[in-house]
Amino acid sequence: SQTIHQWPATLVQPVGSPLSLECTVEGTSNPNLYWYRQAAGRGLQLLFYSVGIGQISSEVPQNLSASRPQDRQFILSSKKLLLSDSGFYLCAWDRTGLATGELFFGEGSRLTVL
Amino acid sequence: SQQGEEDPQALSIQEGENATMNCSYKTSINNLQWYRQNSGRGLVHLILIRSNEREKHSGRLRVTLDTSKKSSSLLITASRAADTASYFCATPEGGKLIFGQGTELSVKP
Repeated sequence: SQTIHQWPATLVQPVGSPLSLECTVEGTSNPNLYWYRQAAGRGLQLLFYSVGIGQISSEVPQNLSASRPQDRQFILSSKKLLLSDSGFYLCAWDRTGLATGELFFGEGSRLTVL
Repeated sequence: SQQGEEDPQALSIQEGENATMNCSYKTSINNLQWYRQNSGRGLVHLILIRSNEREKHSGRLRVTLDTSKKSSSLLITASRAADTASYFCATPEGGKLIFGQGTELSVKP
């Protein structure tokens, strides 16, 4: 069966520090991978998606970047965090792509920037 | 971009009552999905309804889709305290899944 892991689960970082959130998927190959951000009490904002190794599409210009060094690994990074980067970050994957099927989400990483 | 918009934003009911949440969207779609999120957790897929379907059931869940009105509803029958969560509709746009702001459901025992 397929599983998705995100870490760390919780992170408190000072403004200006770097960030690295990792997401890995097990039990499938060539997944489409997504990073979403959820502000408190709000819906999900799509940040990045990837259809293959090294292929990253950015949805929103921001202080963050994403990379996919391996087929089932998706990393969200920042060189210098801003207060506005605080939020709940969710990684997700799907089999079929093109939003024709369900997304499978990780448990999320809660980032607080102080 | 924002595709789905849920209504109401928050709903509080007693255990045993039915809960209805609505979703409106803007562009043509080939499917609409509903997800559930327990507090502080990831989202879990509940049900997908295709554009050529008008109604779909899954256990205590009933979803309707009206493509002429660009709207969908999620009905949870005989609610339980464990149904307390946020519920999101999501629609495809440009090959990605776009989520609404969600309805926060509270079921009181």
